[in-house]
Amino acid sequence: GQNIDQPTEMTATEGAIVQINCTYQTSGFNGLFWYQQHAGEAPTFLSYNVLDGLEEKGRFSSFLSRSKGYSYLLLKELQMKDSASYLCAVSEIANDYKLSFGAGTTVTVRA
Amino acid sequence: GAVVSQHPSWVICKSGTSVKIECRSLDFQATTMFWYRQFPKQSLMLMATSNEGSKATYEQGVEKDKFLINHASLTLSTLTVTSAHPEDSSFYICSAPGQAGGSTDTQYFGPGTRLTVL
Repeated sequence: GQNIDQPTEMTATEGAIVQINCTYQTSGFNGLFWYQQHAGEAPTFLSYNVLDGLEEKGRFSSFLSRSKGYSYLLLKELQMKDSASYLCAVSEIANDYKLSFGAGTTVTVRA
Repeated sequence: GAVVSQHPSWVICKSGTSVKIECRSLDFQATTMFWYRQFPKQSLMLMATSNEGSKATYEQGVEKDKFLINHASLTLSTLTVTSAHPEDSSFYICSAPGQAGGSTDTQYFGPGTRLTVL
């Protein structure tokens, strides 16, 4: 099974940086995903990590440490449109590659 | 990227009626699709895995006779909520892996269906 923990809420100002942490426990880790979900909409894919290290994609970066069961999503140069829920999801080999989601972190960007 | 559509986007029905939700992969084939349910301010909870050509597999606690899943083709899966009740009101989302198998699949989500049962 998986225990996926991430903070419930975070607030930051426009132009700032926010880091959303995610910890997990799995057996047979097969990758970690980050999704963005705006209210009333479906999640959209942001990033995928399966090896240790940092993956950078424009303003968004994601980091993984498999030995620590830890990941973070880094949002830089925050914009108002970044206000959303950010979901950490883990894929587990023993679970037929199905995704298990954390509860999500609601990020509010203030002017 | 891969596109997944859902229909309808929202539906309001009376208690006791059945509602069918369609999930389509528009530009790729999906032998597997996943159905999730999301209550307000909660995360996505996997309900079942839809398998083309075979029976769906349900997560623990999900009633297979109440949530009927049919994966009729490589691009279409349907979820039917039978005898819906107000507690079934939720946001139902489907997803499909972007590749046919493999450990680097990315799941692409449909836009979701908001079900309200009166």
